[in-house]
Amino acid sequence: LAKTTQPISMDSYEGQEVNITCSHNNIATNDYITWYQQFPSQGPRFIIQGYKTKVTNEVASLFIPADRKSSTLSLPRVSLSDTAVYYCLVLYNQGGKLIFGQGTELSVKP
Amino acid sequence: DGGITQSPKYLFRKEGQNVTLSCEQNLNHDAMYWYRQDPGQGLRLIYYSQIVNDFQKGDIAEGYSVSREKKESFPLTVTSAQKNPTAFYLCASSPPYTFGSGTRLTVV
Repeated sequence: LAKTTQPISMDSYEGQEVNITCSHNNIATNDYITWYQQFPSQGPRFIIQGYKTKVTNEVASLFIPADRKSSTLSLPRVSLSDTAVYYCLVLYNQGGKLIFGQGTELSVKP
Repeated sequence: DGGITQSPKYLFRKEGQNVTLSCEQNLNHDAMYWYRQDPGQGLRLIYYSQIVNDFQKGDIAEGYSVSREKKESFPLTVTSAQKNPTAFYLCASSPPYTFGSGTRLTVV
């Protein structure tokens, strides 16, 4: 199973754009890249998923280079409520076991 | 509304006792999973089930047991053999992946 590596923590200020990069050197052809957000004492919440190039939805963008060995989650104009842990995962063919790393703890300050 | 429900939200257990955590989904998902989360850590997979009447051990199955008699239900039993059961337990189902709101288990 592909292993992911991402920064342990990041700090930002309200209104800034935040980019969290994840490396997944062993990603397989059928793997999808998925990002989750988790608040304390809650279950992870799906943010965005992609396979290649760029994906955008109402909350975030996901940039995936051609070699797919890394990906970047972009959160535009963060607010205090975006303070959470963000997990990058690779998912075989959109199914199978999710294997979580430690995630990135994002702290947004006023 | 479709979703995945975990109960109870908080659970206290005396040392040496078994306790069962409930997980129910009405999403018609085939696969269900149990994860454990310790403070400041990511989620670790305990058990998972791809279909009814079948389940496999995850990375930290020792001291836990599960059953999958119905598609909708995947209860997790924390046995007295689990040496450090105090943690936050999350249930999920797929596809697509959907998480419950978790059960916080404390051993007293």
